[in-house]
Amino acid sequence: ETGVTQTPRHLVMGMTNKKSLKCEQHLGHNAMYWYKQSAKKPLELMFVYNFKEQTENNSVPSRFSPECPNSSHLFLHLHTLQPEDSALYLCASSQALGGSGYEQYFGPGTRLTVT
Amino acid sequence: GQQLNQSPQSMFIQEGEDVSMNCTSSSIFNTWLWYKQDPGEGPVLLIALYKAGELTSNGRLTAQFGITRKDSFLNISASIPSDVGIYFCAGHTYGQNFVFGPGTRLSVLP
Repeated sequence: ETGVTQTPRHLVMGMTNKKSLKCEQHLGHNAMYWYKQSAKKPLELMFVYNFKEQTENNSVPSRFSPECPNSSHLFLHLHTLQPEDSALYLCASSQALGGSGYEQYFGPGTRLTVT
Repeated sequence: GQQLNQSPQSMFIQEGEDVSMNCTSSSIFNTWLWYKQDPGEGPVLLIALYKAGELTSNGRLTAQFGITRKDSFLNISASIPSDVGIYFCAGHTYGQNFVFGPGTRLSVLP
């Protein structure tokens, strides 16, 4: 248990569906992240939020829409996905950006399959 | 952008052997982190390093922050089957995002 939870753990969706991934951290952190991990590829940073403000959108297609209502919760809204979007989606948190000595903690991930 | 290289990409070892792996960067970092990831799970933080030259242990794991601040090393002593997994390094610099290596896949033969 790392203090970062993600739901659901597994999701199968069709290309026309709309679904959301949820992440919650219980560590008192102020920065939250979404990563995509595909088979045999390095972690890809998607979005970064710092004190609820988005600070990074790493050229992610608009069919992925993040939402950060507060420092403890992060959502990833999905719509009209493509099969190549199938991957493990990881949420992480750390203390606020801009400093040093920070550690990043990951959730268990959501395994997404787009059919 | 910054990139990390990890070596080796994969390794097969006998149970009981010691393991060494490293991570190198073209840029300097202020923090080095080492993670282990099991299949279908998120990476779990093993060791965090904050100072050049620092040597830190966590059970059978020992990691070092290279004095050039461009590399880090992870050693596992007396490997056991549950050490199987992918080991990632990550670097962090003031005001920047974390940068991750591609991982070293460790397999332990009984």
